[in-house]
Amino acid sequence: DVKVTQSSRYLVKRTGEKVFLECVQDMDHENMFWYRQDPGLGLRLIYFSYDVKMKEKGDIPEGYSVSREKKERFSLILESASTNQTSMYLCAIAGTSGYNEQFFGPGTRLTVL
Amino acid sequence: AQSVTQLDSQVPVFEEAPVELRCNYSSSVSVYLFWYVQYPNQGLQLLLKYLSGSTLVKGINGFEAEFNKSQTSFHLRKPSVHISDTAEYFCAVGQSGYNKLIFGAGTRLAVHP
Repeated sequence: DVKVTQSSRYLVKRTGEKVFLECVQDMDHENMFWYRQDPGLGLRLIYFSYDVKMKEKGDIPEGYSVSREKKERFSLILESASTNQTSMYLCAIAGTSGYNEQFFGPGTRLTVL
Repeated sequence: AQSVTQLDSQVPVFEEAPVELRCNYSSSVSVYLFWYVQYPNQGLQLLLKYLSGSTLVKGINGFEAEFNKSQTSFHLRKPSVHISDTAEYFCAVGQSGYNKLIFGAGTRLAVHP
């Protein structure tokens, strides 16, 4: 079974704090993704990584950065959290089979006060 | 550019009734199509996928979907729903050589007793 774990299920932070969300996979997949999910907007891609130290901006990268120092770990960083970053954050992984199927972690519900 | 439209944001239905969740996509090239399900406070789980071959695809929990190339649709169906099918459903499209998926905004299925 594919296993994608996220460091926290629920997180509460204050405005201006630096926030780290971690995603770890056990499948040795090259591609890793960070999405945010908001009601009525579906999933929006923040960043993705196709290899160690390689990253590419998604549709809404503003206010976020990422880090991938090891193949199994992909971190999303909110440099200075703001209330409009309150959301559900989902990590996903995919191999390079060409079929794009993605496997998701359980999500982190972040609240910024 | 690819896009995915889920025509209904919410679908209420009674238990044991049939249901259809609609999905249309726009793409000028061959695509891969997916339906994911998200139960409350969880990540996304793959329900079924169309990669090639037979246009009728069967998935988990009694769901099936039909790929219609001429109408660029991939509607999800179940002949008899259960209370436990209450969840949010996402349609997604990918294409060969492009390692991202494009997600629809989601359809919330509410099954009532």
